[in-house]
Amino acid sequence: DTGVSQDPRHKITKRGQNVTFRCDPISEHNRLYWYRQTLGQGPEFLTYFQNEAQLEKSRLLSDRFSAERPKGSFSTLEIQRTEQGDSAMYLCASSSPGQGSPLHFGNGTRLTVT
Amino acid sequence: GQNIDQPTEMTATEGAIVQINCTYQTSGFNGLFWYQQHAGEAPTFLSYNVLDGLEEKGRFSSFLSRSKGYSYLLLKELQMKDSASYLCAVRGGYNTDKLIFGTGTRLQVFP
Repeated sequence: DTGVSQDPRHKITKRGQNVTFRCDPISEHNRLYWYRQTLGQGPEFLTYFQNEAQLEKSRLLSDRFSAERPKGSFSTLEIQRTEQGDSAMYLCASSSPGQGSPLHFGNGTRLTVT
Repeated sequence: GQNIDQPTEMTATEGAIVQINCTYQTSGFNGLFWYQQHAGEAPTFLSYNVLDGLEEKGRFSSFLSRSKGYSYLLLKELQMKDSASYLCAVRGGYNTDKLIFGTGTRLQVFP
């Protein structure tokens, strides 16, 4: 069990640019989640997948955000035309099936939009 | 709607006991989770409750009352390394596996 890994750890970009983050879940986990966290707040749900199917997407998520999990393994989160308000920590998590299965989080990608 | 409330900050002394409360109002309920998050790090899983009562795991215990929409995390024999944020999260809603998190309680342990 190597844990959930995310890449890059940090990303600084200029407003208006596109960014893409990658998440590699724990290999035997079929569920993958994306969350966003700002300072002093709890993680905010963005979207989640079961295998390659995107099952739910937050209504708070604008059309500039898109996520994929093409082969049911790793996932990417893309933000188009970044805005300063997108600056946050983007957390990926994975879990096994079952209502009692906890989410295991990666160390996150910290995005700074200048 | 979905609402999870926790105190924003708490302080305690090394060796003491502290109780962090969480109240929730969600459209469904499939379990409540507690996570610990040190500054700049990922949240790590502490406990899970789905039935009423107390779950004990070493120095940490978690309690759930579904009828009251209430949970608490009890930390005993506090250590300096317990200084962290503690996040309450509910797996709720219809036909969903997502966790909804509270804003977290920042605990500071003093010597």
